[in-house]
Amino acid sequence: DQQVKQNSPSLSVQEGRISILNCDYTNSMFDYFLWYKKYPAEGPTFLISISSIKDKNEDGRFTVFLNKSAKHLSLHIVPSQPGDSAVYFCAASLQTGANNLFFGTGTRLTVIP
Amino acid sequence: DSGVTQTPKHLITATGQRVTLRCSPRSGDLSVYWYQQSLDQGLQFLIQYYNGEERAKGNILERFSAQQFPDLHSELNLSSLELGDSALYFCASSPHSTNEKLFFGSGTQLSVL
Repeated sequence: DQQVKQNSPSLSVQEGRISILNCDYTNSMFDYFLWYKKYPAEGPTFLISISSIKDKNEDGRFTVFLNKSAKHLSLHIVPSQPGDSAVYFCAASLQTGANNLFFGTGTRLTVIP
Repeated sequence: DSGVTQTPKHLITATGQRVTLRCSPRSGDLSVYWYQQSLDQGLQFLIQYYNGEERAKGNILERFSAQQFPDLHSELNLSSLELGDSALYFCASSPHSTNEKLFFGSGTQLSVL
C-alpha cells in the first residue's frame, strides 16, 4: 500500500520557468514532509522540508506548499535550471516517534536549456 | 558528500547465497536506516536502529537481518538470495530518531544472477 504517491513519473520544463512537482499522501498521521533530490549513481540528498503546522516553507529557489485538508504537497522551483534535472522524491514521517520515512516513487525532472 | 559510507558499491552474487552490506553513519549520528529501491520503485523502508537497538521495522523479509554495532556502524545481511532481491540498497543516518532529515549514502547495487 503506497501511502505517499507521486503520480507524475516525469516532467519537462524550460530553463527559467517554474517547475511544479506534486505529491499526495493517504495517512493523516503524517506530520513531517520532505523532498529529496537524486542524481544517478548517488544517494538521495535532502532538499527542503515542512512541518504539518505550516503551509509553506521557502528556501531560495525552492518552496514547498502543504495542503493538509487535501493531503497534498507540492514543490515549486523558480527559476528552473539545467542542474535541477534529477529525480525528486517526496517523503513523509509519522507522529509516532520513529523517524522512518515513507517515500513516493519519484518524479524525473528534466530542465531543458 | 553526505558523510554516510556504504560498502561495497556493487555486489554480484548467485541465487541462494548470503551477502553482507555495510554502512558507516555520519560522525555523531545515532540512528541508521536501511532502504531498498527496486527498479522504478520508490525507496522502501526496511529497518531502523537507534544507538544499537532496533527502533522500527518496515517491509523487511525474514531472510534479511540487520544490526548496529557499538561503534554505530551497521550491517544488513541478506540470505537465501533470490532474483527479486536485486536492487539498490541505501543506508541513511540521522542524529536522533524523530522528525528530522536523513542523510543517505550512495548505495550498494546488488545483482543476484
